[in-house]
Amino acid sequence: DTGVSQNPRHKITKRGQNVTFRCDPISEHNRLYWYRQTLGQGPEFLTYFQNEAQLEKSRLLSDRFSAERPKGSFSTLEIQRTEQGDSAMYLCASSLRRDIPTSYNEQFFGPGTRLTVL
Amino acid sequence: TQLLEQSPQFLSIQEGENLTVYCNSSSVFSSLQWYRQEPGEGPVLLVTVVTGGEVKKLKRLTFQFGDARKDSSLHITAAQPGDTGLYLCAGVAYGGATNKLIFGTGTLLAVQP
Repeated sequence: DTGVSQNPRHKITKRGQNVTFRCDPISEHNRLYWYRQTLGQGPEFLTYFQNEAQLEKSRLLSDRFSAERPKGSFSTLEIQRTEQGDSAMYLCASSLRRDIPTSYNEQFFGPGTRLTVL
Repeated sequence: TQLLEQSPQFLSIQEGENLTVYCNSSSVFSSLQWYRQEPGEGPVLLVTVVTGGEVKKLKRLTFQFGDARKDSSLHITAAQPGDTGLYLCAGVAYGGATNKLIFGTGTLLAVQP
């Protein structure tokens, strides 16, 4: 399977605990994105990597959240001191940079990690 | 703030009916993508449109990008129960330095057999 994979698929944790999610993008893709989706809403952008460089972070990404992509391949998203409001589906997507004049971005999503904070 | 508004939010129809979902914004997008999402899964890319006025067809699905690149529509002909799901439009801001997707609010479609 050459699609985007995410682990774990489900995570239940108690408030105050730390959690870490992993994303493995499509192998040749150099761009990686994290989004968060709550029930009944479209996904919201969290952060974006090009290779190992984190180029943008949303204001949604509080200081309890940190993301890394150490070797420009897989990425991890860590949430420290989880709160009930962190309960959501965390989605990872990847894309391939295309050197064409127009901005063109086709992102492929993984199955997501469903986080429930009790 | 760039927003994409989708309408309708919910749609329940009988198998064989036609439907159209709309995605509107006051902002210009350099490209726009349509995804379908099933419960507990990630969005699956259906199509990308990049040129104003562009029309793309995928079997029974027809996608259109507005001339001004501010809006888009998805038309499904002869809907089938397998078309059931959450349909999301998502755009890349024109002229922006980022490649993040701005998602619409979603249209939940239920096709009854």
